[in-house]
Amino acid sequence: QVQLQQWGAGLLKPSETLSLTCTVYGGSFSAYYWSWIRQPPGKGLEWIGEINHSRSINYSPSLQSRVTMSVDTSKKQFSLKLKSVTAADTGVYYCARISYSGGSLVSLDSWGQGTQVTVSS
Amino acid sequence: QSVLTQPPSTSATPGQRVTISCSGSSSNIGRNTVSWYQHFPGTAPKLLIYTNDQRPSGVPDRFSGSKSGTSASLAISGLQSEDETDYFCAAWDDSLNGVVFGGGTKLTVL
Repeated sequence: QVQLQQWGAGLLKPSETLSLTCTVYGGSFSAYYWSWIRQPPGKGLEWIGEINHSRSINYSPSLQSRVTMSVDTSKKQFSLKLKSVTAADTGVYYCARISYSGGSLVSLDSWGQGTQVTVSS
Repeated sequence: QSVLTQPPSTSATPGQRVTISCSGSSSNIGRNTVSWYQHFPGTAPKLLIYTNDQRPSGVPDRFSGSKSGTSASLAISGLQSEDETDYFCAAWDDSLNGVVFGGGTKLTVL
């Protein structure tokens, strides 16, 4: 049974860099893509991007200029950095495991518990 | 505004069957498979349905999924009080080159 445990700073000032890390317990790290998703207050989920063990990366076009994802395969961890945050980046951030088959998305089959990130001066 | 459209809320009484719709377009649901998730606020979302109509092990067969054209549906039969929470759909979008989500549907068990 795979579990994802995430952590990171929850309160940021405008212009600072958001930094979150997710550790994977159980299961294969190399067989999947690893993703970050966020949910602004009162709104739906927004996909931020994904990365795999070989550092193949796919970012959301709307966030690409500010996002950096990385992996540490030795620790089974993947991380998110989002620079120059504003109040619009406030929300709950989730890490998740993405399963693909034949190049097609199957599901986000395991999720972290979520981290509330608030950007306020 | 979410790319996939779901009704904000729905309700039903225990034992009834309820369906939640997820409407998309040719670039997402029309070309790719849909997955469904159950989400209790403050916890990790849980996968209910993948590849349109497949249930992971451990998910009761009261939950079922279907897809037709650019829309998909999640059905919950034999509704129970513990089913009261949020549900959302997801799919890959070929135009946006990323995962897109529905805005979520809050299910109330009356």
